[in-house]
Amino acid sequence: DIVLTQSPATLSVTPGESVSLSCRASQGISTSIHWYQQKSNESPRLLIKYASQSISGIPSRFSGSGSGTDFTLSINRVESEDFSVYYCQQSYSLPRTFGGGTKLELK
Amino acid sequence: QVKLLQSGAALVKPGASVKMSCKASGYTFTDYWVSWVKQSHGKSLEWIGEIYPNSGATNFNEKFKGKATLTVDKSTSTAYMELSRLTSEDSAIYYCTRYDYGGYSHHYWGQGVMVTVSS
Repeated sequence: DIVLTQSPATLSVTPGESVSLSCRASQGISTSIHWYQQKSNESPRLLIKYASQSISGIPSRFSGSGSGTDFTLSINRVESEDFSVYYCQQSYSLPRTFGGGTKLELK
Repeated sequence: QVKLLQSGAALVKPGASVKMSCKASGYTFTDYWVSWVKQSHGKSLEWIGEIYPNSGATNFNEKFKGKATLTVDKSTSTAYMELSRLTSEDSAIYYCTRYDYGGYSHHYWGQGVMVTVSS
């Protein structure tokens, strides 16, 4: 199975800061990585698909990059509504796997 | 708009089974895979498996083979997942999802079903 390692586990920031969240795959997966946001007591929400493709309705401050084994989700100027948990997921091979998550919290 | 409406929370006894539903609307049900994802309390997400309603074809995470059974009812655009021989490890929230067009990102999510296994 492909293991996705997200770092850091927790990121403490103040609103207005720009941040980068990392997701590293245990083997090369091209650009078959997707990013999700999950707020407390809600279902996850798709933010970015295939490493860098935007999703309709998602604010433009969210962007993704990377290929192979290293991927990044960037949030340009964090807003208060962005404090939540972020997951990456690979669809390169079965089973489809998720990372352990990065919690973005208020400093 | 695409919606996935899941059945309500379940309290079940150890050793029993539970069957949950996911009713799809807003799109052609038979055109897209439906997947199921587990989230234990405070933990990350685990992909259980997926089913293609048009043919009934399935793919499973090996970890959930023998535990989860996936079926669909095309006449009502509803997907089902049955979990058998429940233990405390099966207490979790279970989501159904639909992939994005042409790919395997989980674009649409149901609201989740909380399953509690307790005597």
